[in-house]
Amino acid sequence: EIVLTQSPGTLSLSPGERATLSCRASQSVSSSYLAWYQQKPGQAPRLLIYGASSRATGIPDRFSGSGSGTDFTLTISRLEPEDFAVYYCQQYGSSPRGFTFGPGTKVDIK
Amino acid sequence: EVQLVESGGGLVQPGGSLRLSCAASGFTVSSNYMSWVRQAPGKGLEWVSVIYSGGSTYYADSVKGRFTISRDNSKNTLYLQMNSLRAEDTAVYYCARVGTMVRGGPRSYYFDYWGQGTLVTVSS
Repeated sequence: EIVLTQSPGTLSLSPGERATLSCRASQSVSSSYLAWYQQKPGQAPRLLIYGASSRATGIPDRFSGSGSGTDFTLTISRLEPEDFAVYYCQQYGSSPRGFTFGPGTKVDIK
Repeated sequence: EVQLVESGGGLVQPGGSLRLSCAASGFTVSSNYMSWVRQAPGKGLEWVSVIYSGGSTYYADSVKGRFTISRDNSKNTLYLQMNSLRAEDTAVYYCARVGTMVRGGPRSYYFDYWGQGTLVTVSS
């Protein structure tokens, strides 16, 4: 079973700064199987990125995803006030079949 | 417009049972992979179960043998039957549609639409 680790646990930044979030897998993951979500308090998660680098519908281009193998990155080029939230990476496994989430990275206001 | 509306959550004693429902609109449940994801209070997201369009079902080890995912095609509704509930099953339960895309490699699978969640509390 693949385990996802996210770092840092918390990222304290100011609006306008660049945020770089890491997601590391315990073994190689097809980039097709890697997604990122944003979750704000009291809300359901929102899909940001799928296939490691494809933005979901309606997601601003300040959000970008990259990576391959075991190391993946979500980058927010310039933080807007509404971007302060928790971010999760997720992978789909074909053997065993199922999904796994990382523990999350909280991006909060410095 | 795609919508997912969960219901059926509540307070249940340890060892008890509960059935969650997720009414879908704007798409056909039986033509998609559908999943349940939960989130314990103050914790991260945990995948629970998935049902494929062909009917195959898969579960997280933490719920295997206790939870059953199913769907009613005539009602366009997804269900999660939860038996032998434990305190550690306390969480907000979300239903989610599994989106798919092919872009030059293996098909991608991700959760593209989510319900608002329903809270399940297991306590005596």
